[in-house]
Amino acid sequence: KAGVTQTPRYLIKTRGQQVTLSCSPISGHRSVSWYQQTPGQGLQFLFEYFSETQRNKGNFPGRFSGRQFSNSRSEMNVSTLELGDSALYLCASGEQGGTEAFFGQGTRLTVV
Amino acid sequence: AQTVTQSQPEMSVQEAETVTLSCTYDTSENNYYLFWYKQPPSRQMILVIRQEAYKQQNATENRFSVNFQKAAKSFSLKISDSQLGDTAMYFCALGSGNTGKLIFGQGTTLQVKP
Repeated sequence: KAGVTQTPRYLIKTRGQQVTLSCSPISGHRSVSWYQQTPGQGLQFLFEYFSETQRNKGNFPGRFSGRQFSNSRSEMNVSTLELGDSALYLCASGEQGGTEAFFGQGTRLTVV
Repeated sequence: AQTVTQSQPEMSVQEAETVTLSCTYDTSENNYYLFWYKQPPSRQMILVIRQEAYKQQNATENRFSVNFQKAAKSFSLKISDSQLGDTAMYFCALGSGNTGKLIFGQGTTLQVKP
């Protein structure tokens, strides 16, 4: 089976712009979760989608949003980018969610 | 609230030796899972080992094993016969059986020295 695929791998954006990140889960996995990793805050949970429904949400502002399609692929959108949004964004997929999670290689977002 | 604590920011071990990474957690749930992930410089998060809370037997994966102490809410990772390729940051994580949300510890940077 192919692993979790995240695109793009690297991204540079300007403050105020918006960005969309994509995650294709392992075939058959219905749960997709997103995490933000920064040196200062560590790994923080953004949200989880299961069968196209947001099942859980972390403590992030409304500028961070996501969705999941019928084929389980997920997108994450960040609007009105701020310098502090610079981070590694990781996506994880699993069959049921909390019982297992396999990660993609991440998208490195730099906001300038 | 669920929390995960890794009290060792950095550790080092000689090649072929054994090292233990510590993790404590807190949760009020009964159906939960515990994980150790490895993140090498490539930043890819690799699942090392998982433990179902309802299982008393400690999980083992080749050179990696855990010491799961449920009452003490402790979940340590033992790496035997350490190899240079084990050099990475290691994260302990707590998951609920009902959602995909994982709570991560702060991480332990492990360096294996030749």
